[in-house]
Amino acid sequence: SYDLTQPLSVSVSPGQTASISCSGENLGDKYVSWYQQRPGQSPVLVISQDTRRPSGIPERLSGSNSGNTATLTIRGTQAMDEADYYCQAWDGSTVVFGGGTKLTVL
Amino acid sequence: EVQVVESGGGLVKPGGSLRLSCVVSGFNFSSYSMNWVRQAPGRGLEWVSSIDSSSTYIYYADSVKGRFTVSRDNAKNSLYLQMKSLRAEDTAVFYCARLPLSSGHGMDVWGQGTTVTVSS
Repeated sequence: SYDLTQPLSVSVSPGQTASISCSGENLGDKYVSWYQQRPGQSPVLVISQDTRRPSGIPERLSGSNSGNTATLTIRGTQAMDEADYYCQAWDGSTVVFGGGTKLTVL
Repeated sequence: EVQVVESGGGLVKPGGSLRLSCVVSGFNFSSYSMNWVRQAPGRGLEWVSSIDSSSTYIYYADSVKGRFTVSRDNAKNSLYLQMKSLRAEDTAVFYCARLPLSSGHGMDVWGQGTTVTVSS
């Protein structure tokens, strides 16, 4: 089965840039999506197809995907960005989620 | 307004069965694939099943294959998940999520989830 690996946690100071990685074999050959999940809430799609932001998602959030690693970058991090973030890709016809990264804004 | 509302969760004994429902509104249900995704308490997201717009292509995670059955009724704007032989490890919040047809697109609309607890 295909695995996606994310760091358990990332910490960032307000106003700084946070980067969350997602690693998988030849991940750059697949499309990656990213989801934000605040405590007690449902997941929200924040990046689709590696780099596309759905309507309503701030430009501060961006995605990239190359080689074996996809990255979610949050510039000018705010307190409201504190959440769990999950990467997701397709392995053939099945969906794979990364284990999730808790972003803490200190 | 686009909405996805799950229901049918509850407490069930190990080995029991449960049927989850997901009713959508605000978009053309018959044009989208749909997914079930679950989240065990304190854990990450786990994909459960997907079904395409015409019910032609259906896929399951290995962890539920043979025990769960996904279906949809486009006339009723509804998605279902029939679960049998439930185990303690199936305890989770189950989410229904919309998947646009565009290749590689993410799940762009999620419901609030319905909680399934498997316990004696």
